[in-house]
Amino acid sequence: AQSVTQLDSHVSVSEGTPVLLRCNYSSSYSPSLFWYVQHPNKGLQLLLKYTSAATLVKGINGFEAEFKKSETSFHLTKPSAHMSDAAEYFCVVSRAAGNKLTFGGGTRVLVKP
Amino acid sequence: DGGITQSPKYLFRKEGQNVTLSCEQNLNHDAMYWYRQDPGQGLRLIYYSQIVNDFQKGDIAEGYSVSREKKESFPLTVTSAQKNPTAFYLCASSPRRGQDTQYFGPGTRLTVL
Repeated sequence: AQSVTQLDSHVSVSEGTPVLLRCNYSSSYSPSLFWYVQHPNKGLQLLLKYTSAATLVKGINGFEAEFKKSETSFHLTKPSAHMSDAAEYFCVVSRAAGNKLTFGGGTRVLVKP
Repeated sequence: DGGITQSPKYLFRKEGQNVTLSCEQNLNHDAMYWYRQDPGQGLRLIYYSQIVNDFQKGDIAEGYSVSREKKESFPLTVTSAQKNPTAFYLCASSPRRGQDTQYFGPGTRLTVL
């Protein structure tokens, strides 16, 4: 069975400082991993996806994530936060059968001016 | 513009009434999904369909029903049997069976009065 744990429910950063969102997963096989972002009352937007081609994955809006199999982690980072990055972020793992996704509980990011 | 549309954006229902949420996509995707999101939680899968005229229960299908008569449409009916229907409902699609990147619509917020 797959599971996803986002280690921080809330993260607060100042504009222009780095952002780190932590995600650990468990899976009985080599999964696909995703990060999605959700702004208030909106749908989810795909930030990036890992599918075993490269361990460092670059996404949209300056975000990137590193897959570390030994640590079963897939942390999301951005070098410099912008006010528009204030949103909720979900780490997601795909399940083998039926293309079903398992979502983490989400991390809400607050960006202070 | 290609994308996924959900209507209405906000929906109010009296207890005991059935209500149908619309989801339409013009991306020519084979697979479609319905998720429920509650405050402070990740998404949970209600139903999914990998091909026209076929669909499967997800993790929380009780009190919901779906149909998939056309490739571009996957309506969700919330029945009176659903005990706690107030939630944010998200529809998603993916290009092919087993192709796991899912793209999300803007969501419908259902409130039961």
